[in-house]
Amino acid sequence: NAGVTQTPKFQVLKTGQSMTLQCAQDMNHEYMSWYRQDPGMGLRLIHYSVGAGITDQGEVPNGYNVSRSTTEDFPLRLLSAAPSQTSVYFCASSYSGQVGPGANVLTFGAGSRLTVL
Amino acid sequence: GEDVEQSLFLSVREGDSSVINCTYTDSSSTYLYWYKQEPGAGLQLLTYIFSNMDMKQDQRLTVLLNKKDKHLSLRIADTQTGDSAIYFCSYSSQGNLIFGKGTKLSVKP
Repeated sequence: NAGVTQTPKFQVLKTGQSMTLQCAQDMNHEYMSWYRQDPGMGLRLIHYSVGAGITDQGEVPNGYNVSRSTTEDFPLRLLSAAPSQTSVYFCASSYSGQVGPGANVLTFGAGSRLTVL
Repeated sequence: GEDVEQSLFLSVREGDSSVINCTYTDSSSTYLYWYKQEPGAGLQLLTYIFSNMDMKQDQRLTVLLNKKDKHLSLRIADTQTGDSAIYFCSYSSQGNLIFGKGTKLSVKP
């Protein structure tokens, strides 16, 4: 019962470097999303996907790319990291984008802490 | 626009009741949620309330909803040290969850 698995848990990058945060879920959830959490800012939605092959932008998409080639995986790519992208990133999934109680509630990963120097 | 407001900090003594408040702007959400984040972990659903309800009780948790004032509150009775966490108010908008900034609850023994 893995749920939502994020890797890596910690990463340090230099400005301009690229990297991919991995997210995988084994619950056959259609909906997946990426949030970033910053002190005093709460959680802000970066990108989301309502199914394989479909992605869309959230509140703060600039500097990030996503793809959804399979139901299980939803990687987040930073093409040229900037210090402003220092944050804790959370991947979350649910059965559908129309969230409701029970099975449609978001399941979160444990988070990936990224520092950009 | 979409906005959820919460106070950032709350400190209570063990055994007291805690009340965490939230105001929101979008009243179209069918459900409103409270999520809990323990240190170093992701968020977990704590409870939710259907938008046509005024109150929901679940063991030590009581959720109150004033839809007219767009005000949601979470009351934790007999607060324990294990309740120390960040609590997020949340609602759904166009298929996505919108979160408040979170209220950090500190419980003193």
